[in-house]
Amino acid sequence: GAVVSQHPSWVICKSGTSVKIECRSLDFQATTMFWYRQFPKQSLMLMATSNEGSKATYEQGVEKDKFLINHASLTLSTLTVTSAHPEDSSFYICSVNLGTSTDTQYFGPGTRLTVL
Amino acid sequence: DAKTTQPTSMDCAEGRAANLPCNHSTISGNEYVYWYRQIHSQGPQYIIHGLKNNETNEMASLIITEDRKSSTLILPHATLRDTAVYYCIVRVNHDMRFGAGTRLTVKP
Repeated sequence: GAVVSQHPSWVICKSGTSVKIECRSLDFQATTMFWYRQFPKQSLMLMATSNEGSKATYEQGVEKDKFLINHASLTLSTLTVTSAHPEDSSFYICSVNLGTSTDTQYFGPGTRLTVL
Repeated sequence: DAKTTQPTSMDCAEGRAANLPCNHSTISGNEYVYWYRQIHSQGPQYIIHGLKNNETNEMASLIITEDRKSSTLILPHATLRDTAVYYCIVRVNHDMRFGAGTRLTVKP
């Protein structure tokens, strides 16, 4: 499988500031990465699909201007939460699609964001 | 992608087999069945997947019924570290959508 890392593992920020979360595919070149969000006691919700070299595709209800995604290389995708507010506090998880015929996805360890 | 139905929670005694059911009655012919698990505050971990044949790996076995409308994930000898939320997902596209899953608690 693929090894996926995220940085930071947790972050606390003040309301109104922006936070960048990195997702790296350590042993696989990923043309497609996915970003999920998980609120306490809830399941993962797909936010957007990150495509290398092109614009991300956002799910309905996810503000593209608030959650900026950049996938500039085959091993790195970043999610920037702009003007963060307490309601953005959540567990953010990225995943990498191997792109094989079975399309197995491997997930990063997640980043816990707390906005004060 | 087809929807799945799983029990909300299950208990299992340590050392016993854990059998986690999943219903996916609207699955289409080219959709795979995937199982992931999530231990508290971690990213989901891939367990196993299959199309129509039963599958086994070092973690678990996946039994898919002949009509493919349901499947069962089997952890042959559950340990306390297997306590987690287990997600059954059916998909054909690249994105993976999670349901509520089954919270498995392995008890000593």
